[in-house]
Amino acid sequence: KAGVTQTPRYLIKTRGQQVTLSCSPISGHRSVSWYQQTPGQGLQFLFEYFSETQRNKGNFPGRFSGRQFSNSRSEMNVSTLELGDSALYLCASSLDQGWNGYTFGSGTRLTVV
Amino acid sequence: GQQVMQIPQYQHVQEGEDFTTYCNSSTTLSNIQWYKQRPGGHPVFLIQLVKSGEVKKQKRLTFQFGEAKKNSSLHITATQTTDVGTYFCAGDKDVNSGYALNFGKGTSLLVTP
Repeated sequence: KAGVTQTPRYLIKTRGQQVTLSCSPISGHRSVSWYQQTPGQGLQFLFEYFSETQRNKGNFPGRFSGRQFSNSRSEMNVSTLELGDSALYLCASSLDQGWNGYTFGSGTRLTVV
Repeated sequence: GQQVMQIPQYQHVQEGEDFTTYCNSSTTLSNIQWYKQRPGGHPVFLIQLVKSGEVKKQKRLTFQFGEAKKNSSLHITATQTTDVGTYFCAGDKDVNSGYALNFGKGTSLLVTP
């Protein structure tokens, strides 16, 4: 079966711009989580969606937002980009809210210049 | 808030030597998960531990969950070059209010032939 698909793979944006990242989970998976990965901070939780509802949110500013559609696909948006937003953004899906593990996508590498 | 600490940060071993990484949580966990991320790759789920004192094995990998469900370890016997990567432990935040895995910062393993 197809894995978790994230698009685009790479992105370069300018400070102040906004960006939308997309994630298609494994078919049948209803839970989608987003993580930001940087060398200094590791994997940091952004938010988790289950059946179109945001169930939990990490400690990120309001510039970071997300949503989930009825087909479980998810998007995250970052507005007013800052240099510090440069990171690998990972999406992970699960059949049962993370129980028995998440399957991660390959990520979107965002560079803010 | 809950923190998951992982040590050591780096480990360099000769092929054939054993390796252990330790994970400690500031709060009791309902379960702990382990992931492996190869250089340039994304985290891949290895295992989930749920019960107090649980021990699980996957070939040369042995995973343990502490009696108090606050710590865990991953031990690799006779490392191989294919074991290279970063090993992350991840504990849940609050299953009842929405699922969010908190990741440790990982242990990067380098194996030289």
